[in-house]
Amino acid sequence: EEQLVESGGALVQPGGSLRLSCVASGFTFSSYEMIWVRQAPGKGLEWVSYISGNEKSIHYADSVKGRFAISRDNAKNSLYLLMTSLRVEDSAVYYCARGVSPWGQGTLVTVSS
Amino acid sequence: EIVLTQSPGTLSLSPGERATLSCRASPSVDSRYLMWYQQKPGQAPRLLIYGASSRATGIPDRFSGSGSGTDFTLTIGRLEPEDSAVYYCQRYGSPPPFTFGPGTKVDIK
Repeated sequence: EEQLVESGGALVQPGGSLRLSCVASGFTFSSYEMIWVRQAPGKGLEWVSYISGNEKSIHYADSVKGRFAISRDNAKNSLYLLMTSLRVEDSAVYYCARGVSPWGQGTLVTVSS
Repeated sequence: EIVLTQSPGTLSLSPGERATLSCRASPSVDSRYLMWYQQKPGQAPRLLIYGASSRATGIPDRFSGSGSGTDFTLTIGRLEPEDSAVYYCQRYGSPPPFTFGPGTKVDIK
């Protein structure tokens, strides 16, 4: 079964940093592009970042550019999102997804003092 | 940058009725890049339709997608109670951003 499992969400103060992880199983991870999408409480979906299978192509939403960094370790079937200079408005459930499908169950990030 | 607008915001229908959800793009979107998702409360989004009209694996045939250019439609042929959810359209294609629409909430009365 193709599966994605996120972890690393936490309560963090404004200005702080956090690293999210997403572990893949059931498919050849290195062959697929991966994305992060977030959803603030009660709001819609917002694409955050993209990385190609070979890491040669990386893109960010304007709202996180310069603060977030996406990476992957294909040997560990893992995707990461390093979030720095966190703001209250970054509070959301963060999902990883293999392109359009499947998606993980999400991990909650709360930025608050 | 592409903007996706979905209508209506909320749709209240009865079981067995037909639901028609709209997604409008500005500027136009290559239909290969238009996706539809279903999200139930407390769950991750699930891919329903890719390439504007192709059903994803395991999706019942009461779900269908159509459209091209600036106008796309998701139709749920005969609503069942478990179809209560928020439905999002998305443009997923190079170059980013991979924009989502604001969603349409479907309530089954």
